[in-house]
Amino acid sequence: KAGVTQTPRYLIKTRGQQVTLSCSPISGHRSVSWYQQTPGQGLQFLFEYFSETQRNKGNFPGRFSGRQFSNSRSEMNVSTLELGDSALYLCASSLATSGRTRTDTQYFGPGTRLTVL
Amino acid sequence: SQQGEEDPQALSIQEGENATMNCSYKTSINNLQWYRQNSGRGLVHLILIRSNEREKHSGRLRVTLDTSKKSSSLLITASRAADTASYFCATEDTGRRALTFGSGTRLQVQP
Repeated sequence: KAGVTQTPRYLIKTRGQQVTLSCSPISGHRSVSWYQQTPGQGLQFLFEYFSETQRNKGNFPGRFSGRQFSNSRSEMNVSTLELGDSALYLCASSLATSGRTRTDTQYFGPGTRLTVL
Repeated sequence: SQQGEEDPQALSIQEGENATMNCSYKTSINNLQWYRQNSGRGLVHLILIRSNEREKHSGRLRVTLDTSKKSSSLLITASRAADTASYFCATEDTGRRALTFGSGTRLQVQP
């Protein structure tokens, strides 16, 4: 099975612009989660989507949004970019269930490295 | 916010030695997972241990979990240069479908 893919791998933007990142989960996986990794804050959870619905959200401002399509592919959008948004953005997929909790494994993609100038 | 504190922050050993990393967390969890990351790339899943398990093995990896102390350890036996990476513990908190990551341990294995 192909792993989680993320596009683009690298991105350079300027302050005030917006950006859209894409994630294709492993075939058959229905849950997609997004994480931000920075040297200062480490790995932080952004949000999770399951069956096109956002199920869980981290503590990020409304400039960060996402969506999931019927084929489970997901996009993440950041509007009005700030210098502090420079980070590695990681997407993870899992089989998941419709239940409230889970004990399944999340598989991560290679990430998109976003640089904001 | 990060839940876990990992100890040590950095570890340098010789090939063939064992490497032990520790992780502490604060809340009740469903499971705890360990991941490896090479040079700012994606995370590779190593092992998942559920809250009702105390020890788990996978190849050269041994993970223990002590829920009374809210701590876990990852042991890599017979380390290789290819094990050089950052290692993160991540907890899935009870009732929350998200992983909370520790700060990571940078492991350097000298050939």
